[in-house]
Amino acid sequence: QSALTQPPSASGSPGQSVTISCTGGSGDVGGYNHVSWYQQYPGKAPKLMIFEVNLRPSGVPSRFSGSKSGNTASLTVSGLQADDEADYYCSSYAGSNTVIFGGGTKLTVL
Amino acid sequence: EGQLVESGGGVVQAGGSLRLSCAAYGFMFRNSWMTWVRQAPGKGLEWVANIKEDGSDKNYVDSVKGRFTISRDNAKNSVFLQMNRLRGDDTAVYYCASEQVRLGLWGQGTLVTVSS
Repeated sequence: QSALTQPPSASGSPGQSVTISCTGGSGDVGGYNHVSWYQQYPGKAPKLMIFEVNLRPSGVPSRFSGSKSGNTASLTVSGLQADDEADYYCSSYAGSNTVIFGGGTKLTVL
Repeated sequence: EGQLVESGGGVVQAGGSLRLSCAAYGFMFRNSWMTWVRQAPGKGLEWVANIKEDGSDKNYVDSVKGRFTISRDNAKNSVFLQMNRLRGDDTAVYYCASEQVRLGLWGQGTLVTVSS
C-alpha cells in the first residue's frame, strides 16, 4: 500500500497550462479506470475535481481535465488562474475495495 | 447537495481509544459506501477505511488493521470509526467522505491528537 507518486510541486503563470502526473502500478492506476483528483486549500476539506480518469463533477470548470496512459494518470489545468493555487491529490482504486492516494502536489500560480 | 459532519475528535494518550462519528444529511446515505480519510499535520491524504452500503464489507489500510473498526447505522444516517490502541502516528485530521472511489462529499474533518 505505497502511495502513488506525484511531483511535490508544480507551477505556471496565469493563462498557461500545467500538468500534474500520478504514477502507480498495474495493481492500481494501470489496472482500473477509477482515478480521481482532488483539490485542497489550506485548512479545508478536499474537493473532487475529476473522477473515472477524465470525468468532471457538475460545477468543476472545463479547464480541469484528466487522462491516463499505462500506469500514469495526469491532471491538466488550462488557463491557470490565481485561485487554482492549491494542493492536488490523485487517488486510485487498488483492488479488494481499497483506495490509495498520491502524496500530493502543491500547485503555485506565479 | 448533501452534508457530512464529523465529531468525536480530541486529545488522547497513546494506547487509548476514541470513537469518531459522521452524520450525513441531504443524500441517500443508505445507498452509499462511506469512507474515512486522514491527513497528518503538514502531510498528504491517506485512505483509512471504507464500508459498504449495508455494512457487509469493511476494508482497512494495513496500518490500522486490528486497531480500528468502521461501522454504520443507516437508521441514524451515521458512520463511525472506533479507534483503539492509538499511536502517535495516528495524529491527524480525520475526514469522512461519501462513496468508495469517487469521494464526492466530504465533511469538515475532526482533529485527533495522540499524546505520549
